[in-house]
Amino acid sequence: ILNVEQSPQSLHVQEGDSTNFTCSFPSSNFYALHWYRWETAKSPEALFVMTLNGDEKKKGRISATLNTKEGYSYLYIKGSQPEDSATYLCAFSGNTPLVFGKGTRLSVIA
Amino acid sequence: DGGITQSPKYLFRKEGQNVTLSCEQNLNHDAMYWYRQDPGQGLRLIYYSQIVNDFQKGDIAEGYSVSREKKESFPLTVTSAQKNPTAFYLCASSIAGTGGSYEQYFGPGTRLTVT
Repeated sequence: ILNVEQSPQSLHVQEGDSTNFTCSFPSSNFYALHWYRWETAKSPEALFVMTLNGDEKKKGRISATLNTKEGYSYLYIKGSQPEDSATYLCAFSGNTPLVFGKGTRLSVIA
Repeated sequence: DGGITQSPKYLFRKEGQNVTLSCEQNLNHDAMYWYRQDPGQGLRLIYYSQIVNDFQKGDIAEGYSVSREKKESFPLTVTSAQKNPTAFYLCASSIAGTGGSYEQYFGPGTRLTVT
């Protein structure tokens, strides 16, 4: 079974702080890396799907980078807001069904 | 509105009973998935289907069964053979299932409690 690790497990930041999380995945047979945001009482929603080494994607204040050779992806949130509070999931595909990490739970304190 | 619906939101069953969880999508997606979430765990894949009348086991298929008779529907049956059925169940769909390069759209989930 493939292993996808996310760190930290949880973190609390003040409103306005910038933050980042890590997703580690197997560096062989890479096909795609997904990031999802899962707010409480809602369904997970896709943030990014990344397929190329060196890819950088951005959506508003959230951005992600991808290093397939070393097997990691970073998710950055600039100027965190209370509405960014959620669990952030990454998922890896090696031309197989997605394998999800356990997520990073972010709490932004106003 | 396009999306994925799961019903019911909460489900309670007695041990030894089979129970079927509903998942419907109107996104015209070919691929559909069932995941299970337990506290402290990531989403784990139970079954997936890339096309009508075809489905494959995921990592934790034991004690579960599915059918895909229509493109829109992918019901999951939790059988009495599933040793720890109490969990949160999420259904998802994507345009296609091959390769994992298509984002998945998730339903709101069903929380199943078996006593």
